[in-house]
Amino acid sequence: ILNVEQSPQSLHVQEGDSTNFTCSFPSSNFYALHWYRWETAKSPEALFVMTLNGDEKKKGRISATLNTKEGYSYLYIKGSQPEDSATYLCAFIRGGGADGLTFGKGTHLIIQP
Amino acid sequence: DGGITQSPKYLFRKEGQNVTLSCEQNLNHDAMYWYRQDPGQGLRLIYYSQIVNDFQKGDIAEGYSVSREKKESFPLTVTSAQKNPTAFYLCASSIVGRGQVYGYTFGSGTRLTVV
Repeated sequence: ILNVEQSPQSLHVQEGDSTNFTCSFPSSNFYALHWYRWETAKSPEALFVMTLNGDEKKKGRISATLNTKEGYSYLYIKGSQPEDSATYLCAFIRGGGADGLTFGKGTHLIIQP
Repeated sequence: DGGITQSPKYLFRKEGQNVTLSCEQNLNHDAMYWYRQDPGQGLRLIYYSQIVNDFQKGDIAEGYSVSREKKESFPLTVTSAQKNPTAFYLCASSIVGRGQVYGYTFGSGTRLTVV
């Protein structure tokens, strides 16, 4: 079973502050890394799918970077808003990509007004 | 609107009974997946299917069974052999070979409680 670690487990951030959290994954046999946002009572929603070392992707105030050689990805949120409160999941697919995502436990982000 | 429908949202069963969770998608996706979530754990893969009439075991398949008779449907049966069936179950789908590029689409989940 692959090991995907996310830190921190939970995070309280003041509205307007920026924040970031980490996903680490096996550096060998890499295929893709996904980030999802999961709001309470909703379905997980895809944020980014990253495949190349050095990838940087951005969606509004949220961005992500990828380092496949050392096996980590960072997710950044700039100027946090209450609607950013959610659990952020990262998920790894190994080479070939045929057998599904392996998820980390998630980072639970709470934005305080 | 296209999406994945899981039903029911909440399900209660007595210990020893089999129960089937429904997952239907109208996205024309080839691949479908079942995940399980327990408190303090990440989502864990139970079964997946990349094509009709074919499916593969995931990391925690013991005590579960699936079928894929139609492209749109991937029901999961939790059998009496599953030792700890109480959990939150999520179904997902993706375009085969491109789920890695476009991401997965998830249903809203079924919370199963076995008493």
